Amino acid sequence: NAGVTQTPKFQVLKTGQSMTLQCAQDMNHEYMSWYRQDPGMGLRLIHYSVGAGITDQGEVPNGYNVSRSTTEDFPLRLLSAAPSQTSVYFCASSYAGGAYGYTFGSGTRLTVV
Amino acid sequence: TQLLEQSPQFLSIQEGENLTVYCNSSSVFSSLQWYRQEPGEGPVLLVTVVTGGEVKKLKRLTFQFGDARKDSSLHITAAQPGDTGLYLCAGAHGNKLVFGAGTILRVKS
Repeated sequence: NAGVTQTPKFQVLKTGQSMTLQCAQDMNHEYMSWYRQDPGMGLRLIHYSVGAGITDQGEVPNGYNVSRSTTEDFPLRLLSAAPSQTSVYFCASSYAGGAYGYTFGSGTRLTVV
Repeated sequence: TQLLEQSPQFLSIQEGENLTVYCNSSSVFSSLQWYRQEPGEGPVLLVTVVTGGEVKKLKRLTFQFGDARKDSSLHITAAQPGDTGLYLCAGAHGNKLVFGAGTILRVKS
């Protein structure tokens, strides 16, 4: 049981480049979320999904796109990378959100130069 | 603006001491969760509290949810170096889980 798998683990991008951060879970969880973690700011919600075909914006959605075509996968797309998007990105999944708790991946450290 | 305010931001204590971390908000949450995160890893769920006034114990850790479901506390008894890490509270708000900024705990031996 792999849990939540994020790839890549590290990535360096040039300003203006685009890329997709991959997230997959094998627990048949309906809820999936993307967070970014910056020093002193905890985790901030970027986008989330409550099931295949359903996505919604979190606190800091600008510059990011998501889609959820399957229960297992929830990729995060950076459309045109900016230095302000340098951060550690975490994907998380939950059976039904709320009281069920979330399982997190080990993160992707992204640097935009 | 953080929906959840955590305090203190940083705590450095000696092994064997007790400590309490606080998580406060003006919003009501359907549940509140506590996570622990180590460097280079994702947060790991410690506990979820759902009912106002609920108290849960996990070995030396005691978690409490406020009566009005707006705040929570984490108390550690006789801290050990293995407790060192970043402690995060998170509140379920509709379909979203929002986090506090975290408390960095360092326990010195």
